[in-house]
Amino acid sequence: DGGITQSPKYLFRKEGQNVTLSCEQNLNHDAMYWYRQDPGQGLRLIYYSQIVNDFQKGDIAEGYSVSREKKESFPLTVTSAQKNPTAFYLCASSKTGAYGQPQHFGDGTRLSIL
Amino acid sequence: GQQVMQIPQYQHVQEGEDFTTYCNSSTTLSNIQWYKQRPGGHPVFLIQLVKSGEVKKQKRLTFQFGEAKKNSSLHITATQTTDVGTYFCAGRSGGGADGLTFGKGTHLIIQP
Repeated sequence: DGGITQSPKYLFRKEGQNVTLSCEQNLNHDAMYWYRQDPGQGLRLIYYSQIVNDFQKGDIAEGYSVSREKKESFPLTVTSAQKNPTAFYLCASSKTGAYGQPQHFGDGTRLSIL
Repeated sequence: GQQVMQIPQYQHVQEGEDFTTYCNSSTTLSNIQWYKQRPGGHPVFLIQLVKSGEVKKQKRLTFQFGEAKKNSSLHITATQTTDVGTYFCAGRSGGGADGLTFGKGTHLIIQP
């Protein structure tokens, strides 16, 4: 079955620590995205990538970093510079096209501060 | 930057009643998408609207895109308990693979 796999499902971060969230897709999609969801809020875009070895900042990129070395993988690092990292993180992927394509989401990672 | 406002934030309905959520963008959109997120789950794509004034139906769900491509609505007729969840609109003003700007969502709560 094709899909998006996010791991881990739950993650705890200590103060001053960087943590990396994994996102892998086998849908052969070119574009991948990271969103953050807080309670009562919609999804906010952190970073996105339309092609391997290229990515763009979204609306709330500060304190986060990404890489796109392979088409299938788009890991997100939450750095110690992100002062309020507790949230639900969602990874998505899509085909590319002139008018946009549906985004397919993983099951998410819940990050909490210890 | 682009903002997408969605109302209401919460909607309580009796099972069988209709439900509508509205979405307004601060800028003209190239397209708008609608997603549903069940409690504890992830967003699932419902539909995409591209053309000005477009109306699309999926069984009991009717989606509209405004003439100015700055607003949209989702209407559910005769709600069922399976409709429970949060409905998000998400707009894009740029190219095809740019990230989406999501509204805050409307939480639909159904009382049997």
